Amino acid sequence: AQSVTQLDSQVPVFEEAPVELRCNYSSSVSVYLFWYVQYPNQGLQLLLKYLSGSTLVKGINGFEAEFNKSQTSFHLRKPSVHISDTAEYFCAVSETGTASKLTFGTGTRLQVTL
Amino acid sequence: ETGVTQTPRHLVMGMTNKKSLKCEQHLGHNAMYWYKQSAKKPLELMFVYNFKEQTENNSVPSRFSPECPNSSHLFLHLHTLQPEDSALYLCASSQTSGRTDTQYFGPGTRLTVL
Repeated sequence: AQSVTQLDSQVPVFEEAPVELRCNYSSSVSVYLFWYVQYPNQGLQLLLKYLSGSTLVKGINGFEAEFNKSQTSFHLRKPSVHISDTAEYFCAVSETGTASKLTFGTGTRLQVTL
Repeated sequence: ETGVTQTPRHLVMGMTNKKSLKCEQHLGHNAMYWYKQSAKKPLELMFVYNFKEQTENNSVPSRFSPECPNSSHLFLHLHTLQPEDSALYLCASSQTSGRTDTQYFGPGTRLTVL
């Protein structure tokens, strides 16, 4: 079984500053990794995913994440955030070959202010 | 209509009521999912359907009854719910290709049980 840890429940940041949202996972087998964003009163939207290949993955809205197998991490980064990036961000993992079973972290609330 | 839609968006019901949540996907996917999202907790997978057949029931109480008449529609029938069942119920769909099946989410139904 796999698990996901998002250590930061809230991350406050000023507009145009860089941000990193941390995600660590635990699994005994190879995994796929995902980041989803949830804006207020909406469902989850896929930001980016890592399946295989290059460990640096680029997603929508200027976000990127890097898969680090040795540290079992998949941190999400953005070099310059906007007010509109204020949302809840969820990291998720699934075992390769059983991608229908996603395990989610508890989420990180990104609060961008002026 | 594109993506995954859910109706109603908001629902308030008493503990003795019977109601149903509806989900429809317009993506041509073959798998559909129900999740429960409660405050401060990770998303909980409730049910998975693949080609209309239920493949996962994550120990969900019988007061939640899913129905999947075809690959595009998914229902969640509710009866004699408890106040702790109040949550955001999210539907998702994916195409199970054997390699990865990225899940796409609907906007959710905000359920309040009085």
